Amino acid sequence: EVQLVQSGAEVKKPGESLKISCKGSGYSFTNYWIGWVRQMPGKGLEWMGIIYPGDSDTRYSPSFQGQVTISADKSISTAYLQWSSLKASDTAIYYCTRHDNYYHPGGYWGQGTLVTVSS
Amino acid sequence: IVLTQSPGTLSLSPGERATLSCRASQSVTSSYLAWYQQKPGQAPRLLIYDASSRATGVPDRFSGSGSGTDFTLTISRLEPEDFAVYYCQQHGSSRTFGQGTKVEIK
Repeated sequence: EVQLVQSGAEVKKPGESLKISCKGSGYSFTNYWIGWVRQMPGKGLEWMGIIYPGDSDTRYSPSFQGQVTISADKSISTAYLQWSSLKASDTAIYYCTRHDNYYHPGGYWGQGTLVTVSS
Repeated sequence: IVLTQSPGTLSLSPGERATLSCRASQSVTSSYLAWYQQKPGQAPRLLIYDASSRATGVPDRFSGSGSGTDFTLTISRLEPEDFAVYYCQQHGSSRTFGQGTKVEIK
């Protein structure tokens, strides 16, 4: 059974750094693209970027380029989303999602990680 | 590509037909258009990809159609569990989402 299990909720202060994770299981982690999606409180879905864990090929949405870093450690089947300096506007739920291939969504989603940034 | 969904809210009764629209600012490559359902407190669920292909396990009351810049999600007869927010997404290179349509109980 394909599963994506994300790390738990985080509460951080503005300016702090953060790395959240998404662990894949039940499939060959290196062979499928993993994407990240943001959902701000009460708002819609925003595409952030995507990574191929096999070779760490990463593509970012222009809106998120330079704002976050997407990475993966294939040895432990885990993808990451990280910030070097959080802002209050980064408060959101972040979802990871596995694709069937670069162009096709696979229908598998993590449970979401709530990140709260507040002074 | 900017995706614009309409209406913003659809008020219907169980058993009625729901028709949701998604219009793209330019032609969607290869009809790479997906539809998702999201309920409160849950991750999105993939319903449709490639404009008209149902994802695994999705009931056949959900259907997608369209090409180019105009796409439609139709729910033939609304079940109580279908009341939710629906998003379209172009799943080519830029993967932008529409702003969502809320289907609520009338």
